[in-house]
Amino acid sequence: GAGVSQSPSNKVTEKGKDVELRCDPISGHTALYWYRQRLGQGLEFLIYFQGNSAPDKSGLPSDRFSAERTGESVSTLTIQRTQQEDSAVYLCASSLEPLFAGKEQYFGPGTRLTVT
Amino acid sequence: AQSVTQLDSHVSVSEGTPVLLRCNYSSSYSPSLFWYVQHPNKGLQLLLKYTSAATLVKGINGFEAEFKKSETSFHLTKPSAHMSDAAEYFCVVSRTGTASKLTFGTGTRLQVTL
Repeated sequence: GAGVSQSPSNKVTEKGKDVELRCDPISGHTALYWYRQRLGQGLEFLIYFQGNSAPDKSGLPSDRFSAERTGESVSTLTIQRTQQEDSAVYLCASSLEPLFAGKEQYFGPGTRLTVT
Repeated sequence: AQSVTQLDSHVSVSEGTPVLLRCNYSSSYSPSLFWYVQHPNKGLQLLLKYTSAATLVKGINGFEAEFKKSETSFHLTKPSAHMSDAAEYFCVVSRTGTASKLTFGTGTRLQVTL
């Protein structure tokens, strides 16, 4: 079956503009995660959705970042008034259920965001 | 709180020689530990995971890792490197038994030479 997909694969935007990144999780996966990977660094957790529960937003770096998910389907990550330090690869992952006993997360290919 | 430290940012080995990628973790709770691999222009793929069962964990492509609680380590090994193993490897920790986000290390880039 299809894996996690993300769009666009690449996005170049001017500083100050808003961007919206999309993630389509694997069908049936209740948990969805967004991460950011800056050049040469590990992944930073941003936000986590689990079913209809309130999302865990503890990793969002500022109020310019927000994310939505409708039910157990598509999620969008929005960055308002982009800054150059927002340049990174944004990765989405989904899993069948929360990370009980080490359930695997399946990652999408990422969206490479460049802010000029 | 939890954290993970990958001791080498870059490792270079010759094809056919053993691979050792080092990882130390810190966790206030019983940890689950993972190794993920990221090939250029491809998504992250799970290599193996430890979730409080056997301390020696075997993964895909001949990789294995041993959980050593006394040393707080979870080093990744492979007896014989292959050119296709060249990639970025991430050690990851999460808290077993709860819904929890993953905490990633900064990664180790493995280079395999002829």
